[in-house]
Amino acid sequence: RKEVEQDPGPFNVPEGATVAFNCTYSNSASQSFFWYRQDCRKEPKLLMSVYSSGNEDGRFTAQLNRASQYISLLIRDSKLSDSATYLCVVRTGANNLFFGTGTRLTVIP
Amino acid sequence: NAGVTQTPKFQVLKTGQSMTLQCAQDMNHEYMSWYRQDPGMGLRLIHYSVGAGITDQGEVPNGYNVSRSTTEDFPLRLLSAAPSQTSVYFCASRLDRASGYTFGSGTRLTVV
Repeated sequence: RKEVEQDPGPFNVPEGATVAFNCTYSNSASQSFFWYRQDCRKEPKLLMSVYSSGNEDGRFTAQLNRASQYISLLIRDSKLSDSATYLCVVRTGANNLFFGTGTRLTVIP
Repeated sequence: NAGVTQTPKFQVLKTGQSMTLQCAQDMNHEYMSWYRQDPGMGLRLIHYSVGAGITDQGEVPNGYNVSRSTTEDFPLRLLSAAPSQTSVYFCASRLDRASGYTFGSGTRLTVV
């Protein structure tokens, strides 16, 4: 079983829509959680950390559900510039960061 | 701050050749790692370091060596290139174990 699993998509949504991605992780001892975005042929960039109480950064909201071992990312009022691949990342242990394969989002005009 | 700087951006090697991918960061981060990214497989950890003089293997270390003589630099050496090493390589650094990574812009390597 993979450490981190994501629906690869693609998710095609119109501008202004709300879209949500989920990511599941297999190790209940996982300690840190992140969402990254990666544009085509570019490096991954940290979008936000995910905290137990949930956290929000503008149009982006991240949630962690430890009981069910999943994290989610909600994007409200989607912009064309949100089109990218979103990577779920989970840290287990001192340096074991596991990356999901990513969920591809395309925002359509 | 330049962040994480990787060179070269592109490289073509012949099977059996060796080379070093360079990585430097100017953020005084203790943790540095090398990942490779292949289609459909996500990023996989090759080697990592938690400080100068300390390195360890990740998920896919075979065929690669690293060293960490300074906090700033973390080069990745391909010992004898194979076509299976064709990939995009990312170097990344972070301040501490709880932080997220900052990635370099990547090296696209093709082995023919």
